[in-house]
Order: sequence, then structure tokens, then C-alpha cells
Amino acid sequence: EAGVTQSPTHLIKTRGQQATLRCSPISGHTSVYWYQQALGLGLQFLLWYDEGEERNRGNFPPRFSGRQFPNYSSELNVNALELEDSALYLCASKRGQGVRNEKLFFGSGTQLSVL
Amino acid sequence: GQSLEQPSEVTAVEGAIVQINCTYQTSGFYGLSWYQQHDGGAPTFLSYNGLDGLEETGRFSSFLSRSDSYGYLLLQELQMKDSASYFCAVIKAAGNKLTFGGGTRVLVKP
Repeated sequence: EAGVTQSPTHLIKTRGQQATLRCSPISGHTSVYWYQQALGLGLQFLLWYDEGEERNRGNFPPRFSGRQFPNYSSELNVNALELEDSALYLCASKRGQGVRNEKLFFGSGTQLSVL
Repeated sequence: GQSLEQPSEVTAVEGAIVQINCTYQTSGFYGLSWYQQHDGGAPTFLSYNGLDGLEETGRFSSFLSRSDSYGYLLLQELQMKDSASYFCAVIKAAGNKLTFGGGTRVLVKP
């Protein structure tokens, strides 16, 4: 069974540009979460999608957005990039929002560098 | 809001026992989870405590006390491969997001 896959592995952008990060969840998983992990820090919740709908978002500005496709894959878009957006962006999936044992399966992340 | 506090770093020798504490200021959550993350790797699920008490999984055990707003992860018979960051996390019914602590970096020395 394939795990959560993210692309690209690394992404280099300059200030003001836009970045698009992609995530494919484990087959059968309908919930996708996005987290930001700045160097040496913890995981900050960005967005949660389930069944194609945005269900919750963290304390990030509106230039962080995304969507979930009918096949449950997801895309994170970051507009007007700023230097402090440089971080590892992690995607995770789980079977569904009704699952209380919140075992998330994480991808290896996209390392975004903003120059 | 909610916050989870963990020590930032712990150092121990091979074969030792390490306890990573996690204190939290939140209520109405389902349970406490623990994740392990090696440098450059993805976080991986270790354990989940939905009820108070001790859960044991091999060399790792996790504990939760809701009345004390406290939990811990116990790493026994430490091995070099246990050098990693360990995160506690809670999920609340409202919003269904998993909130992580800042992580504890465990360094195992020979």
C-alpha cells in the first residue's frame, strides 16, 4: 500500500511568487491535513479537508489556501510568498473525520525555500 | 485556545530510560497522541491514549491523566535509532484538528 506522497520534494521561490504543493493521501483516506513546520519548530496546523470540503483552518493569512479534488488528493497554494514562509510543509491523511483515534499518516513533506 | 508544553531536549545513554512529559491546557479532547520524527523524515504515529492510564507498545509506553492535564511518553532500553524528536498532540471534537506540542528532541549517546 502506497503511503502519503507529496510533490515536489523541494521548491525554491522568490518573494512575491506563488507556490503550489501537492499531496496524494493513502488510498481510502478521505481526510487530508496540511501542517507547516519551520526549522527546528513544531507542527502548525494549516488546513483540513474532508470529502472535498474545507473543514477547518489554522491561524494563517488568507494567502494560504487549498482544495481537495474528487479523488481526495489535495493542493496547497501560497500566494505572495514571504521569506518567513520558508518551511517544511507536511501533508497527512486519515480515514475520515469520524475516526476518533486520530492516527495521521504523514508524507515526507515539501521543503519550501523563499529567497 | 489550547497549548501543550514539552521539554525542548533530553539527552540519555543507550539502554537508559527517558520520560517525556506533556502538560496541556485544554479540555474536551478525545485523547493524547505521540509522534516520532527523525531528522529530515515524516512524523510517524507512536501511540494514542483515549482513556486515562498506561498504554504499552514494546519499548514505548504512554500515559494520560486527564485530571492532572498531563501525559508522558516513556522510552525504555534506549537505542541509537531512538534519537529523534517526539511530539505530543491532542485532537478536539470541535474542528477535528490535531494540535501538536513543540516537540522534544531526544539525543541518545553511546
